[in-house]
Amino acid sequence: AQSVAQPEDQVNVAEGNPLTVKCTYSVSGNPYLFWYVQYPNRGLQFLLKYITGDNLVKGSYGFEAEFNKSQTSFHLKKPSALVSDSALYFCAVRHMNRDDKIIFGKGTRLHILP
Amino acid sequence: KAGVTQTPRYLIKTRGQQVTLSCSPISGHRSVSWYQQTPGQGLQFLFEYFSETQRNKGNFPGRFSGRQFSNSRSEMNVSTLELGDSALYLCASSLGGVLEAFFGQGTRLTVV
Repeated sequence: AQSVAQPEDQVNVAEGNPLTVKCTYSVSGNPYLFWYVQYPNRGLQFLLKYITGDNLVKGSYGFEAEFNKSQTSFHLKKPSALVSDSALYFCAVRHMNRDDKIIFGKGTRLHILP
Repeated sequence: KAGVTQTPRYLIKTRGQQVTLSCSPISGHRSVSWYQQTPGQGLQFLFEYFSETQRNKGNFPGRFSGRQFSNSRSEMNVSTLELGDSALYLCASSLGGVLEAFFGQGTRLTVV
C-alpha cells in the first residue's frame, strides 16, 4: 500500500532564510509526487509535481522540490522564506501506471518568523 | 474557468441526523475525490468517483457514501451523524492520471 510521511508537524524558519519541508513516501513502483499548500479556511492549492525526468522540480511562488529515488524522499524547498509562506503544507503520492487514489501526508505547519 | 465548488460552506447538524454535501468539479474533469480533514488525522481519503463509478474507497464506515452524476457533479452523504464526524470535507477534481487535483474550499461540518 502506498503511504506518505511528513516527519515534522511544524517547522519554524526566520524570514529570508532557506526552508525545507520534508516528505518521504512508500509505493511499489514509480510514483507521482505532489506538494500542496493550505491557507487558513481555504482548500488546498497545488504547488508542484514530479512525474518523471529532472529530479529538481520548480513550482509556484518560488518553491521547488527534489526527488530522491534512493531515499524515497521529495522534500520541498525555497531559497529565501517570506512571512506569507506561513501555511500548512501537504505532500501527496499517487502510484504511477495505475488510476490509484492520491494519498496525503498529515501536513507540516510552516511558520516564517519576521 | 470556474473552480471546484462545494456547497454548503458551513453546516451544523445534530447527532443522529444525516447530511448531504455537494461538489461541482471543474468543467471537463471526470474524477472527483472526497477527503475528510481533521486536526488530528490530517487528510483522510474517503472515496473517488470516475465517470459515475466509484473507483477507490478509503477506510470509512458504511455511514459514509457518495455518488456521481452524469454531469460529473458529486454528492457525499453521511448518515447517523456522530460527534467525531465534525470536520472539513474537501472535494477535489482532476482529469486523472499524472495530472494534479484541484480542491474546493470545503464544507465545514459541525455535529452537536
